[in-house]
Parts: sequence; structure tokens; C-alpha cells
Amino acid sequence: DTGVSQDPRHKITKRGQNVTFRCDPISEHNRLYWYRQTLGQGPEFLTYFQNEAQLEKSRLLSDRFSAERPKGSFSTLEIQRTEQGDSAMYLCASSFRTGEGDIQYFGAGTRLSVL
Amino acid sequence: AQKVTQAQTEISVVEKEDVTLDCVYETRDTTYYLFWYKQPPSGELVFLIRRNSFDEQNEISGRYSWNFQKSTSSFNFTITASQVVDSAVYFCALNPARNQGGKLIFGQGTELSVKP
Repeated sequence: DTGVSQDPRHKITKRGQNVTFRCDPISEHNRLYWYRQTLGQGPEFLTYFQNEAQLEKSRLLSDRFSAERPKGSFSTLEIQRTEQGDSAMYLCASSFRTGEGDIQYFGAGTRLSVL
Repeated sequence: AQKVTQAQTEISVVEKEDVTLDCVYETRDTTYYLFWYKQPPSGELVFLIRRNSFDEQNEISGRYSWNFQKSTSSFNFTITASQVVDSAVYFCALNPARNQGGKLIFGQGTELSVKP
């Protein structure tokens, strides 16, 4: 079974442009999470899905951010009108819901640099 | 408040030394889960261990061991006879059970450097 896959690994964009990241979870995992990690910090939760339903969003997720998980499979995270403060590593994780401290498995992340 | 504190930002040891990474957490929940993850330079977080709040038994896995003490709200991680391959950033994380979504609250991480 393959792990969590994220694409692209690196993205460089100019301020004001839109970017989209993709995450492919471990097959049969019904939960998918997005986190953001800045240099020297731990990951911060952004949002999560159970199947195709987006069940929780952090207040960190401004209106410029949108995430989808059509058909409960892969997920996309879009950032519109990027700002320099959006520069970070965006991590995706997936888990199988057991209701008891699900173990989340992470992808290698997408590093975004906004110039 | 729910919070995880890893006070040690960086630790440097020489190979074969033992090293302990500290983790202190805050939560008002009686049921919660604690995790440790390793983040090597490649960037992918690797799961190491999960502990629930009702199981205070220490755990050993090879050179790794974990000490969970509810009385001090700590979940410390010890690497015995460290190796260069242990060099990475280590994160402690909390998942309160009331948080049905399962989101993890991470500490700031401890960067461990093991020198040959």
C-alpha cells in the first residue's frame, strides 16, 4: 500500500497568483487532514474531511483558502491571491476513523514560496 | 486551553549518548491521546507512538522509550545509544478525545542532531 502522496513538492509563485495543491491519501482512509507548517514551528491544523464532507475548518483558513475532496478520494487545497505570509509547508495526512485517537499518516508536503 | 510545549528547541549529542526529549501538555479533557512524530530532512512526518490517557505504562521499542506521567502532564521520549540516523526534528502532539475530528495539536518540535 502506498503512502500519502502530495503534488507538487515545491511551488514558487508570485504574490497575487492562485495555487492549487493535491493530496492523495492512503487508499481506504476515510479521513483527510491539511496542516500548515512554517519554519521552526510545529504543524498547525487547517481543515479536515471525513469522506467527502468537510467537517472542520480552522480560523487560520481565511476566505482565500478553499479545500475540496470530491468523491471522498483525493483532496485539493487552493489558495487565491497568494500573499507572502502564505509561504509555508502544506502537509496532508490521512487516517482511518476508529474514534480512538486515529493515527494520522503524513505526506512529504508541498513547500510554497510566494515571491 | 489545549497546548503542547517542547521547551528544548535544539539538542546536540555525540553518537551513542542517551538523549531525552521533553514534552509537556495541557488539556482539561480526561480522555486524550498523545503522539510522537519524527520529521527527517525529507519533510515527511513519521509516526512513532500513540498513547491514551488511561495507559500510563512506559513503553520501549528497541532504542526508543517513552515515559508518560499524568501527574506532571508529561510524555517524554528517550533515545538510548543515539545514532546519526536519529538526527531529525521530533514533535509531540495532543488529540483531546472531545475533539471528534481528530486534529492534532503539535508542539514546536525539538531538533536533534547526533554527531559521529
